[in-house]
Amino acid sequence: DTGVSQNPRHKITKRGQNVTFRCDPISEHNRLYWYRQTLGQGPEFLTYFQNEAQLEKSRLLSDRFSAERPKGSFSTLEIQRTEQGDSAMYLCASSSLGTSGTTKYEQYFGPGTRLTVT
Amino acid sequence: GDSVTQMEGPVTLSEEAFLTINCTYTATGYPSLFWYVQYPGEGLQLLLKATKADDKGSNKGFEATYRKETTSFHLEKGSVQVSDSAVYFCALSDDFGNEKLTFGTGTRLTIIP
Repeated sequence: DTGVSQNPRHKITKRGQNVTFRCDPISEHNRLYWYRQTLGQGPEFLTYFQNEAQLEKSRLLSDRFSAERPKGSFSTLEIQRTEQGDSAMYLCASSSLGTSGTTKYEQYFGPGTRLTVT
Repeated sequence: GDSVTQMEGPVTLSEEAFLTINCTYTATGYPSLFWYVQYPGEGLQLLLKATKADDKGSNKGFEATYRKETTSFHLEKGSVQVSDSAVYFCALSDDFGNEKLTFGTGTRLTIIP
């Protein structure tokens, strides 16, 4: 179990550019979540996947944001036409939905990707 | 919608002091409650959880009891150590099966030797 990994760890971009982040969950985990955390705040839910299906998106996720999990393994989060307000830490987490339908109630978090938009 | 309110920080204590970090919540249904911890330079880790009323979660000397009547889940530890210095987040997930977490704003704890 190598844990949840995220790349890159840091990204600095100019306003108006597009950026893409990658998350690799724990290998047997079928649920994957994206959160955003700004300075001094707790993480805020953005979206989640069960396998390759995107099941819920927060109203925080504007049309400039898109997330995919094409093969039910890794996921990407893309932000188009970045704005300074997008500067934040983007966190990925994964969890396992048990075969009986019960879950372990524990989301394992990655180290995050810190985005700075200048 | 669901929300979590945490005691404002930062909190500074001497080693071996008693710790309480208050957390109250607003939710429909019967949420599960969590405390996550973020040590300096590390990712969020689950510290403890409780999934129904009157359950007590415990780990590493920390405890929290799910109090439905007061909608609270206060974190306590009898004797803190320098290594407990971190940011603590209270969180809930609803009972609708999606398990998305709603977090409080976090409380930064510093323990002085």
